[in-house]
Amino acid sequence: GESVGLHLPTLSVQEGDNSIINCAYSNSASDYFIWYKQESGKGPQFIIDIRSNMDKRQGQRVTVLLNKTVKHLSLQIAATQPGDSAVYFCAVRRGGGFKTIFGAGTRLFVKA
Amino acid sequence: GAGVSQTPSNKVTEKGKYVELRCDPISGHTALYWYRQSLGQGPEFLIYFQGTGAADDSGLPNDRFFAVRPEGSVSTLKIQRTERGDSAMYLCASSLGGLAGTDTQYFGPGTRLTVL
Repeated sequence: GESVGLHLPTLSVQEGDNSIINCAYSNSASDYFIWYKQESGKGPQFIIDIRSNMDKRQGQRVTVLLNKTVKHLSLQIAATQPGDSAVYFCAVRRGGGFKTIFGAGTRLFVKA
Repeated sequence: GAGVSQTPSNKVTEKGKYVELRCDPISGHTALYWYRQSLGQGPEFLIYFQGTGAADDSGLPNDRFFAVRPEGSVSTLKIQRTERGDSAMYLCASSLGGLAGTDTQYFGPGTRLTVL
């Protein structure tokens, strides 16, 4: 089976600093990776994704890094803002399938 | 445009009762997913539909759980003989259903089920 884990359940950063949230996955056949943000009382919201043929992808203030050798994924948020406070999940799929396996999440606290 | 909607937003029931949870996907999305999320955990995959058919139901925990999507749009998750352990947030998501399996899933706000 597949397991997806995060290194830290919580992360606290100062407003304006960069945040890095890490994730590890177990199945080397995983080929599509997604980061979601979930605010209290809402469903997860897509942030950014990356396919296994890439090792880096950038969005607006966010960057995802993929290291397939050690099966590690990270989400970097630049200039973290109070509105970034939420729980962040990494998720994986494999083999072009639709079944998505989520990690347990990291709660990001942004201090003003 | 309208996102994924789920009704009810909250459902309280008694142990042993039957419940139905409804999901209205984004119009035109052929793929629909159900997840269950316990407090402090990530969403757990239950079932995925492509059109009217369940393409992958490997996440359904037991035969008390069943889901349908008869016309390829609205879906209903049905739970028979509810147990206290079924208490969780039930999330629905939809996507365009592209062949590559990399299309973005859009989640609804969820139905919080509490079994007393």
